[in-house]
Amino acid sequence: DAGVTQSPTHLIKTRGQQVTLRCSPKSGHDTVSWYQQALGQGPQFIFQYYEEEERQRGNFPDRFSGHQFPNYSSELNVNALLLGDSALYLCASSLGTGVYNEQFFGPGTRLTVL
Amino acid sequence: GQQLNQSPQSMFIQEGEDVSMNCTSSSIFNTWLWYKQDPGEGPVLLIALYKAGELTSNGRLTAQFGITRKDSFLNISASIPSDVGIYFCAGQLSWYDNQGGKLIFGQGTELSVKP
Repeated sequence: DAGVTQSPTHLIKTRGQQVTLRCSPKSGHDTVSWYQQALGQGPQFIFQYYEEEERQRGNFPDRFSGHQFPNYSSELNVNALLLGDSALYLCASSLGTGVYNEQFFGPGTRLTVL
Repeated sequence: GQQLNQSPQSMFIQEGEDVSMNCTSSSIFNTWLWYKQDPGEGPVLLIALYKAGELTSNGRLTAQFGITRKDSFLNISASIPSDVGIYFCAGQLSWYDNQGGKLIFGQGTELSVKP
């Protein structure tokens, strides 16, 4: 049973560029959440997708957008990259959005903005 | 917004020693979670706490949900080298608060175990 997978593993971009990160949820899961983890910090919630809609959003600017596809996979898009966007981007999947529905994390995509 | 204060930031202990770390918040949470993150991996759930005052064990790990709902601690007994990693606390509200699903993480406690 495959867990949460993310691609690519690493990515290097320059300021002003745009990036798309991808996530495939654990088999049977229908909810995807995205987190940003700066070096030496805990993950910070970006947004959550369920039934192809953004259900919740953290304190991130509109440069951060996402999408969920009918197969429950998801993309995170970041426009106009800033140096401060350099971080590990984690995707977590769950079956449903309730507090009893454990979120399983993928290994993350390491984004470096130069 | 909600913030979690996790302490200590790092710990260097001898194999076999017990470890304790805690997390406090200015806000009330309905759920407290403890995760471990190894290098190159995402966080893995260790223990979930759903009720104020709840004390839950998972092998050598024990965690408690504070009575005030604003704090939690994690204890690791008889540490072993594979306990090395970064431990995070996380709080979660319920959908009644229009915040369900969103996890608020602490800054992490980095644990080093000397054999």
